[in-house]
Amino acid sequence: QVQLVESGGGVVQPGGSLRLSCATYGFTFSNYGMHWVRQAPGKGLEWVAFIRSDGSNEYYADSVKGRFTISRDNSRNTLYLQMNSLRAEDTAVYYCAKDLWDWGQGTLVTVSS
Amino acid sequence: QSVLTQPPSASGTPGQRVIISCSGSSSNIGSNNVYWYQQLPGTAPKLLIYRNNQRPSGVPDRFSGSKSGTSASLATSGLRSEDEADYYCAAWDDSLSAWVFGGGTKLTVL
Repeated sequence: QVQLVESGGGVVQPGGSLRLSCATYGFTFSNYGMHWVRQAPGKGLEWVAFIRSDGSNEYYADSVKGRFTISRDNSRNTLYLQMNSLRAEDTAVYYCAKDLWDWGQGTLVTVSS
Repeated sequence: QSVLTQPPSASGTPGQRVIISCSGSSSNIGSNNVYWYQQLPGTAPKLLIYRNNQRPSGVPDRFSGSKSGTSASLATSGLRSEDEADYYCAAWDDSLSAWVFGGGTKLTVL
């Protein structure tokens, strides 16, 4: 059974950094592209980033380009999102998703002073 | 402002058929597959339709998807109270080199 478990969320000050992790279970992680998608409180879904199965290519939303970095460790079956220069508008629940098919339960990131 | 346009709300009575639209452009819906998601209150999104009209196993056949040109739609027939949720469409955009989501449609069962 596919399982995705996000962690690393919390409260951070504007300009700060945070690293999210997504531990995966129940499938061959190295065979699948992975995404991060976020949802601000009371708002819709916003795609954040994608990384290919072998880590060869990354794609980002314009809103996070240059500040966020998606990466993966296929030996640990884990996806990461390094978030730098955080802004208030980055406040959201962050979901990891396998091929936009299976989704984790999300981790809340709050950017506030 | 979302790249894909959905009506903010839709409603129907139990047993009715409701259709939610998703309008895009030639760079997204017009040239790529459309996906639909259901998000129940307080939960993560769930894949409802993939590749325009395919249902993952376990999704009732009351849900169906279609695509024509630069628009797509999600139909829910035999509406049930448990269908009350937010629904989102998504597609890859060739011009943006990014995935784009619709703004979401809140479906209310009256």
